[in-house]
Amino acid sequence: DIQMTQSPSTLSASVGDRVTITCRASQSISTWLAWYQQKPGKAPKLLIYDASSLETGVPSRFSGSGSGTEFTLTISSLQPDDFTTYYCQQYNTYPRTFGQGTKVEIK
Amino acid sequence: QVQLVESGGGVVQPGGSLRLSCAASGFTFSDYAMHWVRQAPAKGLEWLAVIWHDGRNKYYVESVKGRFTISRDNSKNTLYLQMNSLRGEDTAIYYCARDRDEMTTLSSFNIWGQGTMVTVSS
Repeated sequence: DIQMTQSPSTLSASVGDRVTITCRASQSISTWLAWYQQKPGKAPKLLIYDASSLETGVPSRFSGSGSGTEFTLTISSLQPDDFTTYYCQQYNTYPRTFGQGTKVEIK
Repeated sequence: QVQLVESGGGVVQPGGSLRLSCAASGFTFSDYAMHWVRQAPAKGLEWLAVIWHDGRNKYYVESVKGRFTISRDNSKNTLYLQMNSLRGEDTAIYYCARDRDEMTTLSSFNIWGQGTMVTVSS
């Protein structure tokens, strides 16, 4: 199975900050990577697919990059609604696997 | 609108069984692979199983192989998860999710249900 490792596990930041979350795959997954946002008590929401494509309706402050084994999710200017948890997921092979999550909290 | 609605969760004793359903609407159900994903309390997301659009292929995570069965009825626009030999560690919110892209094996998930809670406890 492909292991996905996110860092950091928790990130403290302020409104307006630029933040970056990293996701590493245990083997190459090309660009078959997605980023999800999950708010408490809600289902995950797709933000980025194919490593760098912005899902329809997602604000442009979210961006993704990377290929192979190293990927990043960047939020260019944190908004109050962005303080929540983010997951990466590979869909290169089965079983699909998720990172352990990164919680973005208010500093 | 495009929607997935899960049902069938509840409290079950260890060793018991439960069948979850996921009713789809607003899109051509038979064109998309469908997945089950779960989330234990205060934990991360765990992918469980996929069934291809035509039902021909199914894949499972190792931890549920032989205990859980994914199936679909394209005439009823419904996805199922039959869960047998349930254990305490199966306690979680169970989500169904749809591939973003149709007729492909390489896709993220862009439609999710609201989730249904399964509690395994005596």
